[in-house]
Amino acid sequence: EVQLVESGGGLVQPGGALRLSCAVSGFTFSSYDMHWVRQATGKGLEWVSGIVIAGDTYYSGSVKGRFTMSRENAKNSLYLQMNSLRAEDTAVYYCVRGSWGYYGSDDAFDIWGQGTMVTVSS
Amino acid sequence: DIQMTQSPSAMSAFVGDRVTITCRASQGISTSLAWFQQKPGKVPQRLIYASSSLQSGVPSRFSGSGSGTEFTLTISSLQPEDFATYYCLQHSTYPFSFGQGTKLEIK
Repeated sequence: EVQLVESGGGLVQPGGALRLSCAVSGFTFSSYDMHWVRQATGKGLEWVSGIVIAGDTYYSGSVKGRFTMSRENAKNSLYLQMNSLRAEDTAVYYCVRGSWGYYGSDDAFDIWGQGTMVTVSS
Repeated sequence: DIQMTQSPSAMSAFVGDRVTITCRASQGISTSLAWFQQKPGKVPQRLIYASSSLQSGVPSRFSGSGSGTEFTLTISSLQPEDFATYYCLQHSTYPFSFGQGTKLEIK
């Protein structure tokens, strides 16, 4: 069964740091781009970051310079290191499967984890 | 960065109605567009990918069309379980971006 399981969310003070993890099973993790998407309570979906097969990373303007995405193919795991956290980073963070292969495709964002809640508050 | 303008932001309709939701991209994205349905408290579910390809298991009353900058999601005959929030996503050019969402309510 294809599965993405996020962990690492919690309560953190403004300016603090948190590391999210996503454990992947049921498909060849190393062959897919991966993404993080977040959603604040009552708000819309926001793409946060992506990592391609070759390891290059991309970020939204709202998190660039503060968040770092990485992958560890040997452990079938995805990570999001979040530093200098702000109240506006409070959201559910979803791990999402992207497209397959080095050249990508339009078949992406099909599998989502259940999400992990991050709350930034003093 | 590519901006996705989704309209309407909210709408109400009757069961059996035909409904169309539109997303406009601020620059061309070919067919790198997906549509998602989200119900309260649930994880988003992909309905359409590559602008017009139906996700396996999704009812055929859902359809997508468009390329370049104009895209539409159509529900041919609304069912009670279709009342939800819908989002488009462009994944042509980083940073990727979602539309603002369309909340579809029962009339």
